[in-house]
Amino acid sequence: NAGVMQNPRHLVRRRGQEARLRCSPMKGHSHVYWYRQLPEEGLKFMVYLQKENIIDESGMPKERFSAEFPKEGPSILRIQQVVRGDSAAYFCASSPLAGLTEAFFGQGTRLTVV
Amino acid sequence: GQQLNQSPQSMFIQEGEDVSMNCTSSSIFNTWLWYKQDPGEGPVLLIALYKAGELTSNGRLTAQFGITRKDSFLNISASIPSDVGIYFCAGPQDSGGSNYKLTFGKGTLLTVNP
Repeated sequence: NAGVMQNPRHLVRRRGQEARLRCSPMKGHSHVYWYRQLPEEGLKFMVYLQKENIIDESGMPKERFSAEFPKEGPSILRIQQVVRGDSAAYFCASSPLAGLTEAFFGQGTRLTVV
Repeated sequence: GQQLNQSPQSMFIQEGEDVSMNCTSSSIFNTWLWYKQDPGEGPVLLIALYKAGELTSNGRLTAQFGITRKDSFLNISASIPSDVGIYFCAGPQDSGGSNYKLTFGKGTLLTVNP
């Protein structure tokens, strides 16, 4: 049973471009969470999704950021018109039931905006 | 929002030494979680604490949920080189105790000299 897979591991984008980050949850996991980690900071909650539904997006910036978890395929975190401040490590976690105590984190995608 | 303060920010110890780190909050938490993050990886849950005064062990790791519910401690005994990493405490972000929207501390960076 493979772990949570995130790709790409590293992503470089120029200011104004779009960034698409993918997260394939572990088999049997229908709950996905996205967190962002700025340099030398702890992780900060962004969004919680179940298959085809956004449960809680209270941590998502109001503009330019969106997330989805379609019936088929990975969860996608999309950042439009990236700015330097979006540079961070983005982690997703998945769990079979709601809650992070049963969740496993992926290795993260490190986004660098130049 | 709630904030978690971790101390120390970093530690340099010799292999075999015991380590102690803590996490404090200005508000009450109903759950405390301790994670370890290796360089370039996602965080891994080490110990979960659910009850004030609870003392839980996981191998050489021991964590305690403070009686006041505003602090928690993590101890590592007989450290080894693979203990190197960043240790984060975390707890539910809102008073409702949702266990997916966590607040993380900024972490304690542990370096172990062989």
